[in-house]
Amino acid sequence: AQSVAQPEDQVNVAEGNPLTVKCTYSVSGNPYLFWYVQYPNRGLQFLLKYITGDNLVKGSYGFEAEFNKSQTSFHLKKPSALVSDSALYFCALYNFNKFYFGSGTKLNVKP
Amino acid sequence: DTEVTQTPKHLVMGMTNKKSLKCEQHMGHRAMYWYKQKAKKPPELMFVYSYEKLSINESVPSRFSPECPNSSLLNLHLHALQPEDSALYLCASSPLIRDTNYGYTFGSGTRLTVV
Repeated sequence: AQSVAQPEDQVNVAEGNPLTVKCTYSVSGNPYLFWYVQYPNRGLQFLLKYITGDNLVKGSYGFEAEFNKSQTSFHLKKPSALVSDSALYFCALYNFNKFYFGSGTKLNVKP
Repeated sequence: DTEVTQTPKHLVMGMTNKKSLKCEQHMGHRAMYWYKQKAKKPPELMFVYSYEKLSINESVPSRFSPECPNSSLLNLHLHALQPEDSALYLCASSPLIRDTNYGYTFGSGTRLTVV
């Protein structure tokens, strides 16, 4: 069975500090992993993906994610957080023509 | 055009009403999806269309009836809904059903309230 876990319901960081939003996964076979962001009353916006290749993936708005096969993790990172990064973040695993979403992590960036 | 457009943005309907949600994309995508999202929860897949044919139905109650009249348009017909069906309904599209090179493109959703 496949699954995605986001262990933190909420992450609080100060503007200008680095941020990490955690994600772990479980799947048999190669993982196709994604990060999406959702602003209030909006749809999901694609941030980045890992399919194959370099373990460090760079995406939109300065975000990046590190794929770690041994730890089955795909944490989202950004070197310097902005207040405008405050939103709901979903990690997702793509398998058998479907996305399996994590429960979401609310990121709060305080000025 | 790189967007998925959903209308209406908000809908309030009674339990005896019939209404429809509309989703449109002009990116040439051949796979389209309906998701349901409750507050502070992840989206849940409802239906998948591939080349205008229903490919996946995630055991959705028959009071939700999808329709794909052409490659650009996806509808969700609603009838005899329950208050617990109140949610944000998201439409998404992708080039192909098995295309993992791209994330889905999501619309902004229709906020549905059943009274």
